[in-house]
Amino acid sequence: KQEVTQIPAALSVPEGENLVLNCSFTDSAIYNLQWFRQDPGKGLTSLLLIQSSQREQTSGRLNASLDKSSGRSTLYIAASQPGDSATYLCAVRPAETSGSRLTFGEGTQLTVNP
Amino acid sequence: ETGVTQTPRHLVMGMTNKKSLKCEQHLGHNAMYWYKQSAKKPLELMFVYNFKEQTENNSVPSRFSPECPNSSHLFLHLHTLQPEDSALYLCASSPGTGEKLFFGSGTQLSVL
Repeated sequence: KQEVTQIPAALSVPEGENLVLNCSFTDSAIYNLQWFRQDPGKGLTSLLLIQSSQREQTSGRLNASLDKSSGRSTLYIAASQPGDSATYLCAVRPAETSGSRLTFGEGTQLTVNP
Repeated sequence: ETGVTQTPRHLVMGMTNKKSLKCEQHLGHNAMYWYKQSAKKPLELMFVYNFKEQTENNSVPSRFSPECPNSSHLFLHLHTLQPEDSALYLCASSPGTGEKLFFGSGTQLSVL
């Protein structure tokens, strides 16, 4: 059974700092991995999706990497801003099914202080 | 707006009530999902519909009854819920079942 772990559970940084969020998964047979952000009491916003054949994806100040063999992904946020404060979730999609069943981590709650 | 709209945003119901959650997507997607998010727990998949047909039921109790009349609309009918069913219920859609998910803002449900 796939398990997804996100470390740290919470992170507080000053504005302007570069930071890395970690996601690890136990079964490397994945189809893709997706990073989301969630604001309190709201739905999820998709940030980046990395296919199993890719090593990284970039969007603006965000860069996500994937090392499938070691079961790890990182989300790098450059020059953090208070508006980046949210919970960040990673989710993996298995390779062996039609791909509809995502397994989510519990998230990293990020606070960026002005 | 994300393109996936959920109503109501908040719902308080008693254990004997019957209520329905509604989800509508304007993205032309073929797959729609219900997820449950409880405090301090990862998101749990409940149901998947692809081209209006249910393709996954993640062992969800029968007091939750989904309905998908067309590819743009998804309902979750609720009946005789328990207090432990209180959670944020999220709807999502994707072009196909293996593709990027787009989520609605959720319905925060409280069962008294």
